[in-house]
Amino acid sequence: NAGVMQNPRHLVRRRGQEARLRCSPMKGHSHVYWYRQLPEEGLKFMVYLQKENIIDESGMPKERFSAEFPKEGPSILRIQQVVRGDSAAYFCASSPRSGRADTQYFGPGTRLTVL
Amino acid sequence: TQLLEQSPQFLSIQEGENLTVYCNSSSVFSSLQWYRQEPGEGPVLLVTVVTGGEVKKLKRLTFQFGDARKDSSLHITAAQPGDTGLYLCAGSALYNTDKLIFGTGTRLQVFP
Repeated sequence: NAGVMQNPRHLVRRRGQEARLRCSPMKGHSHVYWYRQLPEEGLKFMVYLQKENIIDESGMPKERFSAEFPKEGPSILRIQQVVRGDSAAYFCASSPRSGRADTQYFGPGTRLTVL
Repeated sequence: TQLLEQSPQFLSIQEGENLTVYCNSSSVFSSLQWYRQEPGEGPVLLVTVVTGGEVKKLKRLTFQFGDARKDSSLHITAAQPGDTGLYLCAGSALYNTDKLIFGTGTRLQVFP
């Protein structure tokens, strides 16, 4: 998937624990997008970040979810106090420029299972 | 809220048959993408269409963007087992071209 790295690929958490999902964009890409995919559904946009800035978080749940993309290191999607409904595949995409959704390249995803 | 509806949701066909997947919306999109997703992997971009009425071909796959840029279709000729997968359309909104809006998906199974 064009070099976008996500880890871990699989994550199991018990209800109430925290989940941290990491995304390293393709080299040279400074725009990161997070999407969530429930079983047998399409992907739903969550958040769009540039380095050190959240540009659009209109798809993020109001509570327990946060995202960051620091100056150095990967982008992190953090889910606090996970519940069973958070079980899903979380995909990260990166792009070299803004305003061009057709240049988003997706990572392999992190499959989160909440027990 | 912009929505993309795909049909059919599931499709099981024999190798060699032709098929068409539809992606429809009541909203206009600035561009539309088609992705294929394998189990356990992320979506892989197949094509982007930008101009109303545009037709693009990728080997046995033909993609069309509606004249009004509200709908698209994917036609596969002589399907092969390797075409099996989840096909997703995704649109880039007019007012926010950074956010992809994904369709509901079409799961295709091609039997040998």
